Amino acid sequence: AQRVTQPEKLLSVFKGAPVELKCNYSYSGSPELFWYVQYSRQRLQLLLRHISRESIKGFTADLNKGETSFHLKKPFAQEEDSAMYYCALSLAAGNKLTFGGGTRVLVKP
Amino acid sequence: NAGVTQTPKFQVLKTGQSMTLQCAQDMNHEYMSWYRQDPGMGLRLIHYSVGAGITDQGEVPNGYNVSRSTTEDFPLRLLSAAPSQTSVYFCASSPTHPPDTQYFGPGTRLTVL
Repeated sequence: AQRVTQPEKLLSVFKGAPVELKCNYSYSGSPELFWYVQYSRQRLQLLLRHISRESIKGFTADLNKGETSFHLKKPFAQEEDSAMYYCALSLAAGNKLTFGGGTRVLVKP
Repeated sequence: NAGVTQTPKFQVLKTGQSMTLQCAQDMNHEYMSWYRQDPGMGLRLIHYSVGAGITDQGEVPNGYNVSRSTTEDFPLRLLSAAPSQTSVYFCASSPTHPPDTQYFGPGTRLTVL
């Protein structure tokens, strides 16, 4: 079965510093990878998906099939980036999204 | 559009009680799902449905039942509540199957004493 691992439960960075959230997955095929975000008092929402290859709110993520990783990066963190971030995986022939354990990001002023 | 709505927002149950968490969406999405969110464990899929009349188990289905009589509604039933079911429950829907962009409800915080 597929699995998604986010090794860091908490990342604390200062405003303006780079931030990288790690995501590793276990699946030998070609999955679709996503990052979801939950801001305080808001609903969980899609941040970005690897197939789009886009930058959202300054965040980018690259799918590395060799390392089975999909790390999320932002060069200059802002206080409004403080949130809970979840990496998720979907299989083309599957029926569900599998989520990682989540990483809480705290951006300090 | 209201999107995905969930009721109630909060609920406290005693061990052994039963209840139904309601979920509705007005986006005509075929795919709907229920997750529970626990600290350090992320979101775990309880049950999902790919259309009216079709449901299937997710990762942690024990102690929960679902039905999908209409496209709009996907209620989650706790048969006999246990303290281990204390959690935040999220309903989500997706216009695609398999799901990629999921639209989440606001969540129901359930405490079982």
